[in-house]
Amino acid sequence: GAVVSQHPSRVICKSGTSVKIECRSLDFQATTMFWYRQFPKQSLMLMATSNEGSKATYEQGVEKDKFLINHASLTLSTLTVTSAHPEDSSFYICSAWTGGADYGYTFGSGTRLTVV
Amino acid sequence: GNSVTQMEGPVTLSEEAFLTINCTYTATGYPSLFWYVQYPGEGLQLLLKATKADDKGSNKGFEATYRKETTSFHLEKGSVQVSDSAVYFCALSQGGSEKLVFGKGTKLTVNP
Repeated sequence: GAVVSQHPSRVICKSGTSVKIECRSLDFQATTMFWYRQFPKQSLMLMATSNEGSKATYEQGVEKDKFLINHASLTLSTLTVTSAHPEDSSFYICSAWTGGADYGYTFGSGTRLTVV
Repeated sequence: GNSVTQMEGPVTLSEEAFLTINCTYTATGYPSLFWYVQYPGEGLQLLLKATKADDKGSNKGFEATYRKETTSFHLEKGSVQVSDSAVYFCALSQGGSEKLVFGKGTKLTVNP
């Protein structure tokens, strides 16, 4: 089945630095990918939708300049948290729409970001 | 807009108990409906889905039926196991590559 690989799984960074998270579709072409942030007590917040070769569409309230999303190829989307602060610490999850007859959404395994 | 409301947890059951997690939705037209499961520290895995009214999705002993008349997609399992302990999310999509809309998740703990 469709597999999405997300790296790194955990990252600790200093306040003020930037962190890049990668999301790769391993055995299919992902024209559309989604980035979520998961808060304590489970809830998932959609941050943005990225389409290959075009600018990402951000959800209301998500800072575009802080959370840079690049979907430069059909198998790779990246989320860069710029000038990270402790309040950016969270669990970030990517997802790709798999399309086809058995269409659905495949999720990466998530990235635990801790900003110190 | 589209929304999903699911039973708030946490839910704690003994092994072999019957499980129901309620999920209702608000959407225009005929969305596709999903249940995802998340184990600690991991991403989400598709548990089952249904794409049209009266469809029943099933996987690993879990079932859910797409009920258009009640706008519901309740998750059930006849006999839960300790390994079923996880967070369960109900979600909908309007199809194609449209974004998923999630419920808030229900944490299930199954005790031996």
